[in-house]
Amino acid sequence: KAGVTQTPRYLIKTRGQQVTLSCSPISGHRSVSWYQQTPGQGLQFLFEYFSETQRNKGNFPGRFSGRQFSNSRSEMNVSTLELGDSALYLCASSTVPGYEQYFGPGTRLTVT
Amino acid sequence: AQSVTQLDSHVSVSEGTPVLLRCNYSSSYSPSLFWYVQHPNKGLQLLLKYTSAATLVKGINGFEAEFKKSETSFHLTKPSAHMSDAAEYFCVVSEDTGGFKTIFGAGTRLFVKA
Repeated sequence: KAGVTQTPRYLIKTRGQQVTLSCSPISGHRSVSWYQQTPGQGLQFLFEYFSETQRNKGNFPGRFSGRQFSNSRSEMNVSTLELGDSALYLCASSTVPGYEQYFGPGTRLTVT
Repeated sequence: AQSVTQLDSHVSVSEGTPVLLRCNYSSSYSPSLFWYVQHPNKGLQLLLKYTSAATLVKGINGFEAEFKKSETSFHLTKPSAHMSDAAEYFCVVSEDTGGFKTIFGAGTRLFVKA
């Protein structure tokens, strides 16, 4: 079974731009969560989707948004990028919420 | 509110000696608890999970963890460290507050000396 895939793997953007990251969960997994990993803040929960509904959101500004499609694929969007948004963005999928999560390799976003 | 505290940011052991990585949690509900490992430049891998079944949970690569509700702890252990165990370990709590929110601990970097 293929694992969680994330595209793109690396991204360089300029302050003020917006970015969209994509995540394809493991086949049959309906829950997708997003995390931000930085050296200073560690791994922080962004949001969780299940059956196309955002069920929970972490403490991030409204510039961070996401959605889930009917095939369980998910995208997250960050608008008006700031230097502090530079991070590794991880996507994880599980069969249903609360079960063990399987992580993708991440998208490394650099904001200059 | 849920929280996770990993009591040591770094742990150093010699190869062949036991490993103990400590984790305390706080949760208002009945949480699910996990340990994940992240090797350098590799993705996060699930080591083991606790979901209110047996309190002693066995995971991959010889790791195990014991859930102690009275102490709100979920420490990770391994009888004998191997060089390949050198990595960062994360204790994770997940609870359903109308939607699952997952909190990662700050991580413990494990060093294994030859």
